[in-house]
Amino acid sequence: GENVEQHPSTLSVQEGDSAVIKCTYSDSASNYFPWYKQELGKGPQLIIDIRSNVGEKKDQRIAVTLNKTAKHFSLHITETQPEDSAVYFCAASGRGNDMRFGAGTRLTVKP
Amino acid sequence: GAVVSQHPSRVICKSGTSVKIECRSLDFQATTMFWYRQFPKKSLMLMATSNEGSKATYEQGVEKDKFLINHASLTLSTLTVTSAHPEDSSFYICSAEGLGETQYFGPGTRLLVL
Repeated sequence: GENVEQHPSTLSVQEGDSAVIKCTYSDSASNYFPWYKQELGKGPQLIIDIRSNVGEKKDQRIAVTLNKTAKHFSLHITETQPEDSAVYFCAASGRGNDMRFGAGTRLTVKP
Repeated sequence: GAVVSQHPSRVICKSGTSVKIECRSLDFQATTMFWYRQFPKKSLMLMATSNEGSKATYEQGVEKDKFLINHASLTLSTLTVTSAHPEDSSFYICSAEGLGETQYFGPGTRLLVL
């Protein structure tokens, strides 16, 4: 089955700096890669996703890149703000409903 | 759009009792819903996949007789934790599958078994 690895596990940046979180996946058949943001005590919220027919997708300060050959994808947050502080999860799915999540990255944005 | 609700948000129960958690897709229909369990500072652990009108598919190691799942309509799935014990205390999160395999998550239910 699919195995997703996520790095780093914790990330601390200064407000205004950029943050990058990276994930790798094992199943070459995976074709859908969402990113979720989870705040303390709440459910994960979808912030951006990308499919395997696209190499990059951007939504305001958030962007995701996908390298199918290397089987890795990354989340980029620019001009970080304190409210970006949360746990971010990447995920990958392809075969049916088999979506697997990374271990999560705890992002702290220092004002 | 794509809002998923869960009820209750938190519940405290005595050991040995059963607890039902509801998951609803409010503005879309979901043939498939998922139930996850999340331990503190850990990732989401898939417990089971719930398909409307059919039996749920459980992940390896998840007791189907302990975690009863019912998906009676396209907008409602329920998880019942039967004969709950303190080790069942956790954060339970459901998700509903929308278009293109996208999963939309509920706000979660925190269960504490005394």
